[in-house]
Amino acid sequence: AQRVTQPEKLLSVFKGAPVELKCNYSYSGSPELFWYVQYSRQRLQLLLRHISRESIKGFTADLNKGETSFHLKKPFAQEEDSAMYYCAPSNSGNTPLVFGKGTRLSVIA
Amino acid sequence: SAVISQKPSRDICQRGTSLTIQCQVDSQVTMMFWYRQQPGQSLTLIATANQGSEATYESGFVIDKFPISRPNLTFSTLTVSNMSPEDSSIYLCSVLNMNTEAFFGQGTRLTVV
Repeated sequence: AQRVTQPEKLLSVFKGAPVELKCNYSYSGSPELFWYVQYSRQRLQLLLRHISRESIKGFTADLNKGETSFHLKKPFAQEEDSAMYYCAPSNSGNTPLVFGKGTRLSVIA
Repeated sequence: SAVISQKPSRDICQRGTSLTIQCQVDSQVTMMFWYRQQPGQSLTLIATANQGSEATYESGFVIDKFPISRPNLTFSTLTVSNMSPEDSSIYLCSVLNMNTEAFFGQGTRLTVV
């Protein structure tokens, strides 16, 4: 069965500390992996995708096919990073996203 | 990108009644998706709405409870029928662009009393 796991429901870090939000997936084929973010009072939006291999707002995520993981990392957390983060794999262009349970990141000043 | 307008943004409804949520996209899209986000939970896919055919529902969701219309390539509605307090949730519509990036409406926060 297609499954995505985000083991941490809540992650609290101090400002300036490194942060890693974990995501493991169990998917057939070669899915594309995404991280979506929802800031307070804003709609859900794309943060980054693994094929672009770029850093967005200081965040990076590396796809590890051996470990079937796609962890989101940032070396120095900022208060504005506080939000809900969802990992979402997708198999094809017209397949709806299946979301993990999400991790709430709280960055403490 | 795609801009999605969803309305109403929120509503408080009596149990046993129905609410229709509208979703308007600023461009033509093949598929539109409806999600539910219960308090403190992640997004759960309700159904995929295709223009010109019946919607495809996920396990646990049925057409009688959540009828969907898709009259054209830019518009869809989701009705929550015969509501009960367990239907209190945020309902979201979503589309994918050609790069598989998902865009979302602002959501409809439904409270059933």
